[in-house]
Amino acid sequence: SQTIHQWPATLVQPVGSPLSLECTVEGTSNPNLYWYRQAAGRGLQLLFYSVGIGQISSEVPQNLSASRPQDRQFILSSKKLLLSDSGFYLCAWSVRGYGELFFGEGSRLTVL
Amino acid sequence: AQSVTQLDSQVPVFEEAPVELRCNYSSSVSVYLFWYVQYPNQGLQLLLKYLSGSTLVKGINGFEAEFNKSQTSFHLRKPSVHISDTAEYFCAVTRSGNTGKLIFGQGTTLQVKP
Repeated sequence: SQTIHQWPATLVQPVGSPLSLECTVEGTSNPNLYWYRQAAGRGLQLLFYSVGIGQISSEVPQNLSASRPQDRQFILSSKKLLLSDSGFYLCAWSVRGYGELFFGEGSRLTVL
Repeated sequence: AQSVTQLDSQVPVFEEAPVELRCNYSSSVSVYLFWYVQYPNQGLQLLLKYLSGSTLVKGINGFEAEFNKSQTSFHLRKPSVHISDTAEYFCAVTRSGNTGKLIFGQGTTLQVKP
């Protein structure tokens, strides 16, 4: 069966520090991969999605970037965090041709 | 472009009572519709989905939803809720065939009281 792993689960970082959140999917090949952010009391905002290795689409201009170095690995990064980057980050994957997303457990980032 | 409006930010209900969580969407093309549930500090879990066919969709945990194309709605219902149903519920839409780029509503907090 397919599983998705996301880490770290919790992260507290000072303003201006770098960020790296990692997500891996097991049990499937060629998945579409996604990073969503959920700010406190708000819905989910799609940040990045990828249909293949090295193929990244950004949905909103921001302080973050994403990379897909391997088929089932998706990384969210920042060189310098801002207070506004705080939130709950969710990685997800889908099978191409279907709309359903499968989510990881999330990473809670607090920028102080 | 698609959009989703969840009409209630919070829905308090007593245990064993019925509940309806409302969702309206906006789209000029055919869509897929989803309901997800999120428990505190966890990821999202799919409750049910509408891709095509029967407009009444049954999901996990006794939930069901009805796709109404004329009213552009996809309301979620459960005839009798449990304390354990207390969670955040999200409605989402994507263009048919546009895999995974889901647009989410703002969420509805279901609070089940004893």
